[in-house]
Amino acid sequence: QQQVKQSPQSLIVQKGGISIINCAYENTAFDYFPWYQQFPGKGPALLIAIRPDVSEKKEGRFTISFNKSAKQFSLHIMDSQPGDSATYFCAASMRRGGTASKLTFGTGTRLQVTL
Amino acid sequence: SQTIHQWPATLVQPVGSPLSLECTVEGTSNPNLYWYRQAAGRGLQLLFYSVGIGQISSEVPQNLSASRPQDRQFILSSKKLLLSDSGFYLCAWGGRGQVGTQYFGPGTRLLVL
Repeated sequence: QQQVKQSPQSLIVQKGGISIINCAYENTAFDYFPWYQQFPGKGPALLIAIRPDVSEKKEGRFTISFNKSAKQFSLHIMDSQPGDSATYFCAASMRRGGTASKLTFGTGTRLQVTL
Repeated sequence: SQTIHQWPATLVQPVGSPLSLECTVEGTSNPNLYWYRQAAGRGLQLLFYSVGIGQISSEVPQNLSASRPQDRQFILSSKKLLLSDSGFYLCAWGGRGQVGTQYFGPGTRLLVL
């Protein structure tokens, strides 16, 4: 299957709190797992990504946790800020035609960080 | 640094009219190029990708076509738009040495009436 399942659909977190978004996949051919942040009316921006041979990757306040055996991965946003309010998409990549890749996206999580 | 441009930013077209959306990339050569569509409140769906000039692969059957006349130019077209073609169209590029990493443009919002 090509699906990537993402939850929750929406999330409200207080400023300074931890935001957690979860994704699950079925196809073991996926070999790269990026997260994208999208503000209204804008294109998605690459936030952080991980390969399946790594269990965790941290960049600033953003951490990806990856569980290969469970085929699950999650995004943690520490010390969430109002500026983090956006829609977050997980994705899984599969190679296509040599160097090209196909990203399969989750359905998105709308994060709102309140004061 | 690399930059990706899309135009127009917004487009309102009648059903049955033709479509041409353009995407250009600066600051890189021989990129992989992609067209995605995003329905309101939904994730992104890959429509086409290209690994070189004149090389187009389609991921889903539809009313659209794509062309790559130059190394850093990718065009999305339709001869006759349908209501269901409305959406947010995003172009993305990826470097050949960075399989899996894709960078998106600002998008074109298309409304077919």
